[in-house]
Amino acid sequence: GAGVSQSPRYKVAKRGQDVALRCDPISGHVSLFWYQQALGQGPEFLTYFQNEAQLDKSGLPSDRFFAERPEGSVSTLKIQRTQQEDSAVYLCASSIGRLAPDINEQFFGPGTRLTVL
Amino acid sequence: AQSVAQPEDQVNVAEGNPLTVKCTYSVSGNPYLFWYVQYPNRGLQFLLKYITGDNLVKGSYGFEAEFNKSQTSFHLKKPSALVSDSALYFCAVSDYGNNRLAFGKGNQVVVIP
Repeated sequence: GAGVSQSPRYKVAKRGQDVALRCDPISGHVSLFWYQQALGQGPEFLTYFQNEAQLDKSGLPSDRFFAERPEGSVSTLKIQRTQQEDSAVYLCASSIGRLAPDINEQFFGPGTRLTVL
Repeated sequence: AQSVAQPEDQVNVAEGNPLTVKCTYSVSGNPYLFWYVQYPNRGLQFLLKYITGDNLVKGSYGFEAEFNKSQTSFHLKKPSALVSDSALYFCAVSDYGNNRLAFGKGNQVVVIP
């Protein structure tokens, strides 16, 4: 079946531009996560949704980062006024999320590689 | 705060030999532990998890991991490594009631034919 998909796969932005990264989770998955993976590092948590509710956004590095999931399915991560330090791979993951707390494994998309010049 | 340490940058092993990738963790409550593998240009793939119960967990592709509470470790093991096991391996932990995963920096495994 279809896994988690992300678009675009690659994005080059000039410093100061706004970008929007899209995530399509596995159909029926309640939970959705965003992570940031810098070169040579492990993924770092950004934010978590349960359906359309953003339950944890403690990992967002600044108020330039904004995420939404308005209908509880597709999610968009928006970065305003991009800076060079925002260059990273942005990973989206989803899980069934029918257990509380959510201890189901997360399924990851291929990521969007963002390069800010 | 939850965290994971993967002390080795790279693990080299001859094909057919046992493979071990080390992971230690730190959490304030009960740990939920995961191993993921990342192949070039592909997303993270789930290998196995420990939630509760038997300390020895078996996962995909012949991998297993042993939870050791006293040593706060969750080492990944495979009895006989294959060249195709060459990849980047990540250990991750989630604190009970906390949905976020904290990942280690990853270990590059190189299986030598």
